[in-house]
Amino acid sequence: GQQLNQSPQSMFIQEGEDVSMNCTSSSIFNTWLWYKQDPGEGPVLLIALYKAGELTSNGRLTAQFGITRKDSFLNISASIPSDVGIYFCAGPLRSSNTGKLIFGQGTTLQVKP
Amino acid sequence: NAGVTQTPKFQVLKTGQSMTLQCAQDMNHNSMYWYRQDPGMGLRLIYYSASEGTTDKGEVPNGYNVSRLNKREFSLRLESAAPSQTSVYFCASSEGARPQHFGDGTRLSIL
Repeated sequence: GQQLNQSPQSMFIQEGEDVSMNCTSSSIFNTWLWYKQDPGEGPVLLIALYKAGELTSNGRLTAQFGITRKDSFLNISASIPSDVGIYFCAGPLRSSNTGKLIFGQGTTLQVKP
Repeated sequence: NAGVTQTPKFQVLKTGQSMTLQCAQDMNHNSMYWYRQDPGMGLRLIYYSASEGTTDKGEVPNGYNVSRLNKREFSLRLESAAPSQTSVYFCASSEGARPQHFGDGTRLSIL
């Protein structure tokens, strides 16, 4: 079945550093979504990607839809303490027109002030 | 600006007890979803409802039932709670295949 593999599983970085994480699959996806979950809250959509090769930014965050359609990358520049949380990639299940998603296991980010 | 509202936020149950988790959305979305989140496993879909009056199983439906009461509300019921159902439960909604919006979760412990 479809699976999404995120790496790294966790990161502990110094404030001000840049962060890079990725999401890969053996299946092709037509959409890639990146969510962030703050401690004690639900996931919030950061960036949505709809086209192979697309590069989209949201403030200090930049995400790319891989050319092969089997991967996606999320970069955070100049990290700050409020970037702490779990970052999830997600994509629609094959042949789903109902919005059903599959999620990666998440990358946990900790930022040291 | 409520979005997706889940109640309760926290609950402790004894094994064998039953309970219903409530979810309501005010965005007029057709589709609603229930997930569980366990450490290191991301979000796994329990049940979803593509539209009012329809429900379907997701990846991990065993031990759960759902009701799509109307377009706004989608409830999740545990008939006989088991310790393996200790988890954080999230409700989400979307308009068709557009990105989902999530509630803040219900933290459920079963002793």
